[in-house]
Amino acid sequence: AQSVSQHNHHVILSEAASLELGCNYSYGGTVNLFWYVQYPGQHLQLLLKYFSGDPLVKGIKGFEAEFIKSKFSFNLRKPSVQWSDTAEYFCAVNHRADNDMRFGAGTRLTVKP
Amino acid sequence: DGGITQSPKYLFRKEGQNVTLSCEQNLNHDAMYWYRQDPGQGLRLIYYSQIVNDFQKGDIAEGYSVSREKKESFPLTVTSAQKNPTAFYLCASSGRGGSYNSPLHFGNGTRLTVT
Repeated sequence: AQSVSQHNHHVILSEAASLELGCNYSYGGTVNLFWYVQYPGQHLQLLLKYFSGDPLVKGIKGFEAEFIKSKFSFNLRKPSVQWSDTAEYFCAVNHRADNDMRFGAGTRLTVKP
Repeated sequence: DGGITQSPKYLFRKEGQNVTLSCEQNLNHDAMYWYRQDPGQGLRLIYYSQIVNDFQKGDIAEGYSVSREKKESFPLTVTSAQKNPTAFYLCASSGRGGSYNSPLHFGNGTRLTVT
């Protein structure tokens, strides 16, 4: 079965710093890729998704992610974080043939004001 | 408004008892999923179903069972065989044609405590 790895368990940044969260997956077939965010006390929300086409996708709140097929990666980036970005971020991968959806362990982001 | 309803929000059970968690959606979604969320482990896939009367095991299906008799409903039973059942359980669904072309919609979750 495919797996999803998120390299950073907890990231602490100051406001205006740049953010990059790593995500790698194990499966080499056709996949769809997602980043979800969970703010404290709230549901998971979709940040962005990649199905096909331009490997650089833009999501809500200034987030973007780049799909690098050769590296099986889908890293999340934001040029300048805000205190309100404090949340847990989950990478998810869907294998089209199986129609499943698997998540990474999550990265907790703390942004200091 | 359309959405996913999980009930109850909190559930307490004695060890050795089976317990069923409810998940209902009125989004007309084909695919439904059950996840378990534990601190530091993200969401782990228990079972998923692409269509009525069909479901597949996820990564941690042991000790759990599901049914999909109706499109709207995907109940999860936590059996006494599940060795560590205390957790937060999330139900999700995705649109027509399955999740490959749409993101997941999540319920509010059920926190199960087994003592």
